[in-house]
This record gives sequence, C-alpha cells and structure tokens, in this order.
Amino acid sequence: GAVVSQHPSWVICKSGTSVKIECRSLDFQATTMFWYRQFPKQSLMLMATSNEGSKATYEQGVEKDKFLINHASLTLSTLTVTSAHPEDSSFYICSARESRDYGYTFGSGTRLTVV
Amino acid sequence: SQKIEQNSEALNIQEGKTATLTCNYTNYSPAYLQWYRQDPGRGPVFLLLIRENEKEKRKERLKVTFDTTLKQSLFHITASQPADSATYLCALRNYNAGNMLTFGGGTRLMVKP
Repeated sequence: GAVVSQHPSWVICKSGTSVKIECRSLDFQATTMFWYRQFPKQSLMLMATSNEGSKATYEQGVEKDKFLINHASLTLSTLTVTSAHPEDSSFYICSARESRDYGYTFGSGTRLTVV
Repeated sequence: SQKIEQNSEALNIQEGKTATLTCNYTNYSPAYLQWYRQDPGRGPVFLLLIRENEKEKRKERLKVTFDTTLKQSLFHITASQPADSATYLCALRNYNAGNMLTFGGGTRLMVKP
C-alpha cells in the first residue's frame, strides 16, 4: 500500500531556531499533501494544504511566514517552523492520498519540542 | 457552526465484546466519511471509507454504517481484542472542500482482557 515517510520522528530545538520536517510519498506521486498539528489529547488540526509547484493554502489562524511549506516535487513536501517558540511544541503530521478510492496515508509524525 | 462529534472520549469494554463508536456531524454535506486508528505517538492509519450512497461497509472484524439522514456514522469492532486498544478518529470530506479532511475529536478505546 501507499507509504508516506516523515522525518525526523522527533526533534528538540532551542527557542528562536528553525526546524525543517520532511514528508515523502514513497511509492506514489502526491500533487497535494496536508500538514496537521496535534496537541496532547486533542484531534488533528489541519494547518495547510501543500500543492506541488504552487503556493500552499493555509488555514485560518496559521501564520504562513512562520510555517513555511515547500512542495517542490511530486514526492516531497517540507514544513519549516521558523523562529520556533515553546508554544510551537506539538506533534506535526503530514498526509497524502494515493487514489480517490482510498483513504489518506499519514506519516508517522514528528514530535517537536522547543526549549 | 460545523461540528464533528465522537460520542465519548474513552470507551472501556471487555475482550470479546463488540465495541461501538459513534460519529455525529452537523452542518456538513460529506461526500464520504472515513475512520482511522491512531496509536500514541503515531500518525493515524486508514481503516475504512464509506460514501454517502453506501449504508454499510465491512472489513474483517470492522463494520461502518453511514446514515446521512441522522448525520451519523457508527463504527463497530466485533470480537474485540486488547490489540484493538487505540484512539479511533472519524473524518469527513465535505463537498466543495477539495481534498480536505476534517477530523472528530477521537474516542480512546480500551479493551480489557
């Protein structure tokens, strides 16, 4: 089945630094990928839709200058958390869909801790 | 306002029993509804998709129903096992929302041996 690889699985960074998270579709092409954020004991909240070759679409309340998304190829989308602060600490998950008749495949998630 | 509500935050059942989880939605016109399993510290894993014109879908010990009149989906796990313990999320895609999925809050299922 479809596989989405997300890296790193966890990262600890200092406040003020930037962190890049990669999301790759391993055996299919994804023109669209989705980035979610999940706080403890809460559900997934969509942050942005990443579109290959064009600008990402951000959900209301998500700062596009803080969460930079690049989708330069059909198999890779990256999310960069710029000038990270402790309140950005969360579980970030990407997803993509292989076909219309199937569900979405999620990456294994990235646990970001900003200290 | 639009809402997706799952019946309870947590559900405890005995091994071998049938677990039934509920997903209700308001102010959506979903093209389809999906159910996912999420284990702690992991991304969700797709289980089943049911379209608006389908009443029921089955996969091994899983069964999903979809009632667009009641605006409700039921998710059943028969002959439950401790390994079924996880958080289960329902998600739907609204018409005119592109490929965007919206998730419910999830129900944490605990199957006791």
